[in-house]
Amino acid sequence: DGGITQSPKYLFRKEGQNVTLSCEQNLNHDAMYWYRQDPGQGLRLIYYSQIVNDFQKGDIAEGYSVSREKKESFPLTVTSAQKNPTAFYLCASSWASRTGELFFGEGSRLTVL
Amino acid sequence: AQKITQTQPGMFVQEKEAVTLDCTYDTSDPSYGLFWYKQPSSGEMIFLIYQGSYDQQNATEGRYSLNFQKARKSANLVISASQLGDSAMYFCAMSPTDSWGKLQFGAGTQVVVTP
Repeated sequence: DGGITQSPKYLFRKEGQNVTLSCEQNLNHDAMYWYRQDPGQGLRLIYYSQIVNDFQKGDIAEGYSVSREKKESFPLTVTSAQKNPTAFYLCASSWASRTGELFFGEGSRLTVL
Repeated sequence: AQKITQTQPGMFVQEKEAVTLDCTYDTSDPSYGLFWYKQPSSGEMIFLIYQGSYDQQNATEGRYSLNFQKARKSANLVISASQLGDSAMYFCAMSPTDSWGKLQFGAGTQVVVTP
């Protein structure tokens, strides 16, 4: 079945460690996104990519990094520079030329101890 | 800058009744899209409905309809004939049409459907 796979679903890390969250899609979508969700809040855009080897910062990119070496993959690294990394992270994809209907993965919950 | 406001943190609705979720927005973009997403307890976000700012008619998708009032900058979601499976968080979002995918989300409304 086509969809978006995020891994791991749950992740615990010590403060100061970098963490990489995986996002893979087999929908042949051009665009991919990373959003962050904190309790009781809506989603906020971290990074997005509309084409391979190109990506742009979203509203809260500080302390995060991404790569887009393949169309199917858009991993997110939460670096030690991110001051409050504990959150729920959602990856999404879409047809870049279509309306903003995003297809989301099931999310990764990161807890920094 | 864009802003989405959802003033209802939570609401209860009886099964088979209709429910309206409020959403107001603010933007300086001349062309934009408005969206509603559903987030069940499992966490994934599910697209429900889309309304373009220049669309003349209100969008409908099955039991979902969007009551779009451009002058009032509101985009309320109406769920008809509520089902137990409709219990979830609902988010209103918008993006300018030249930046699809750069969605700005509201804080959400928790809906609980009771038998």
